[in-house]
Amino acid sequence: EIVMTQSPATLSVSPGERATLSCRASQSVTTNLAWYQQKPGQAPRLLIYGASTRATGIPATFSGSGSGTEFTLTISSLQSEDFAVYYCQQYNNWPPYTFGQGTKLEIK
Amino acid sequence: EVQLLESGGGLEQPGATLRLSCAASGFTFSNFAMTWVRQAPGKGLEWVSTISGSGDPTYYADSVKGRFTISRDNSKNTLYLQMNSLRAEDTALYYCAKETGAYGYSAFDFWGQGTLVTVSS
Repeated sequence: EIVMTQSPATLSVSPGERATLSCRASQSVTTNLAWYQQKPGQAPRLLIYGASTRATGIPATFSGSGSGTEFTLTISSLQSEDFAVYYCQQYNNWPPYTFGQGTKLEIK
Repeated sequence: EVQLLESGGGLEQPGATLRLSCAASGFTFSNFAMTWVRQAPGKGLEWVSTISGSGDPTYYADSVKGRFTISRDNSKNTLYLQMNSLRAEDTALYYCAKETGAYGYSAFDFWGQGTLVTVSS
């Protein structure tokens, strides 16, 4: 089973600033990696798939990069609605699909 | 517009049986794999099971293998999760999610709002 590790667990950033979230896989997942955003009381929403492709309707302030075992989600200029929990997920070697434990992005 | 609507959750005792449903609309249901993901209270996301667009093959997390059965009725655009021998650790919000491909190996591009399963004596 591939273990996905996200860092940091909590990230405090001021509105308007850039946020960088990391995700590491225990073995290569090539670019078969997705990022999801989850707000309180809501279902997860797909942001990025294929490590760097934005899903439909996702603004360009969100970008993904990386391949193999190291991945990054960058939010270039934080808006109030971007404060949420973010999960990475690999879909290269499954079953099982595996998620990271999440990074909570909070307002500084 | 893609919509996924889960139902069937509730409060059950350990050992009980429950069947979840997920009614899908807004896309050609049979063309896509479908997945159940659960989230225990205050915890992260855990993959439970996946079924291909045709209904075979199916895949399960070790934690539910032998107890849960995923199925689909493509004529009714509905996904199911039969849950037997429920345990306290199955307590979670259960989401159904649409995959971007027919056979898995893909991300989950649409999610329902979830149905809550609570297992407690």
